[in-house]
Amino acid sequence: GNSVTQMEGPVTLSEEAFLTINCTYTATGYPSLFWYVQYPGEGLQLLLKATKADDKGSNKGFEATYRKETTSFHLEKGSVQVSDSAVYFCALSGNTNAGKSTFGDGTTLTVKP
Amino acid sequence: EAQVTQNPRYLITVTGKKLTVTCSQNMNHEYMSWYRQDPGLGLRQIYYSMNVEVTDKGDVPEGYKVSRKEKRNFPLILESPSPNQTSLYFCASSLSAGAKTQYFGPGTRLLVL
Repeated sequence: GNSVTQMEGPVTLSEEAFLTINCTYTATGYPSLFWYVQYPGEGLQLLLKATKADDKGSNKGFEATYRKETTSFHLEKGSVQVSDSAVYFCALSGNTNAGKSTFGDGTTLTVKP
Repeated sequence: EAQVTQNPRYLITVTGKKLTVTCSQNMNHEYMSWYRQDPGLGLRQIYYSMNVEVTDKGDVPEGYKVSRKEKRNFPLILESPSPNQTSLYFCASSLSAGAKTQYFGPGTRLLVL
């Protein structure tokens, strides 16, 4: 079946530091890939997504590129802010069974001033 | 306002006492899904529905039931709750399955004693 493996957390950074959260996946076919963010006490919301190989998703300074050759979708941001402190989830929806969604374990990011 | 609502937000119950968590969306979405979030395990899909009267199992369906009699509602039923179902539950919806963004409700925190 499908699986998503995320970089283990928690991650603690100083403001303006560079962020990378690694995500690799296993899936048949050509899944769509997502990053969702969960702020304290809230539900998840979409951060960015990519639906085919070599696509780059971007939003709010975050970026991730769909790399089929390495089955990866790493999340990056050049300069994090305190307000980016949250839990980040990598996820996929496979096109062979579009209804099934698989999420990673989540990575908790804390940004200190 | 476009949203996914869940009720109740918090629930404490005892083993074996049937309960229902409601989920409703006002975006005319075809696809809806239930997840549970547990520390260290990320989000795991319980059930999903591709459309009215069409439901299917996710990765952890044991002990849960769902129904989709109308497009906007997708209740989660625990017929005989057990302590291992203590968790944070999220409902989500999207226009369709696969590449579409899922919109999440605020979550229901359930404690089974």
